[in-house]
Amino acid sequence: DGGITQSPKYLFRKEGQNVTLSCEQNLNHDAMYWYRQDPGQGLRLIYYSQIVNDFQKGDIAEGYSVSREKKESFPLTVTSAQKNPTAFYLCASSILGQGSYEQYFGPGTRLTVT
Amino acid sequence: AQTVTQSQPEMSVQEAETVTLSCTYDTSESNYYLFWYKQPPSRQMILVIRQEAYKQQNATENRFSVNFQKAAKSFSLKISDSQLGDTAMYFCAFSYNNNDMRFGAGTRLTVKP
Repeated sequence: DGGITQSPKYLFRKEGQNVTLSCEQNLNHDAMYWYRQDPGQGLRLIYYSQIVNDFQKGDIAEGYSVSREKKESFPLTVTSAQKNPTAFYLCASSILGQGSYEQYFGPGTRLTVT
Repeated sequence: AQTVTQSQPEMSVQEAETVTLSCTYDTSESNYYLFWYKQPPSRQMILVIRQEAYKQQNATENRFSVNFQKAAKSFSLKISDSQLGDTAMYFCAFSYNNNDMRFGAGTRLTVKP
C-alpha cells in the first residue's frame, strides 16, 4: 500500500537534546512538508521541499532543520534552539503539476520534551 | 496574506441529524482550492472534500457537501445523517499553490448517540 510513514509515534527527549523525526513516502510525490500542531491551533508549516536537495522555510522554521537527500525521505530535526518543542508533528506530501494542491498526511509523531 | 477562520471551536450533533461547520477565508487570489480535512482521535488527517474556486457547483462526497460562496469568501461543510464515526476535529484549509496551505484552527465535532 502506498502512503506516508512517520516514526516513532511517540518520542520523549530531555531538554537540550536534538531529536530527529522520520518521514518516508512511497507515493512518488515530489513535494514534502512538515507541520506542527498545537492544541487549539491549526497546522503551521515548518519546512517544505519540492525537489531533492532543496527545501524552503515555512512560517515557524526557527529551531528546526531538514534534509532531502532522497525523494522518498524528509527527516525533521528539532534542535535545542527550539524553545517549545513539545507538540504533534505531521509530515505531508503532494504531487506537483496537477493543480489540485491536495496534501496527503502521515500518522504524525507526538514529541514530548521535559 | 491568506487566512482561514473557523469560528466554532466545538459543536455537537445527534446521530442521524445534519450539522454545518463554518469557514471563512481571506485572499486576493482569484484561483485556488479549498479543503475540509478530518482528524479523528487517531490524529490521522483525512481529506473529506475539496472545492476548486473557479467551479460554481458545490462539491459533494456522499454525506458531505459544501456551500461555497466565493464573493462572501465562505466555505461551509454540511454533514448529513451524522454517524458516530464522524466524531473528529475538522479543519478548513486553503491553497493557491504547492507551497502554502493555510489551515483554520479547527472545529471539534462530537456526534452523540
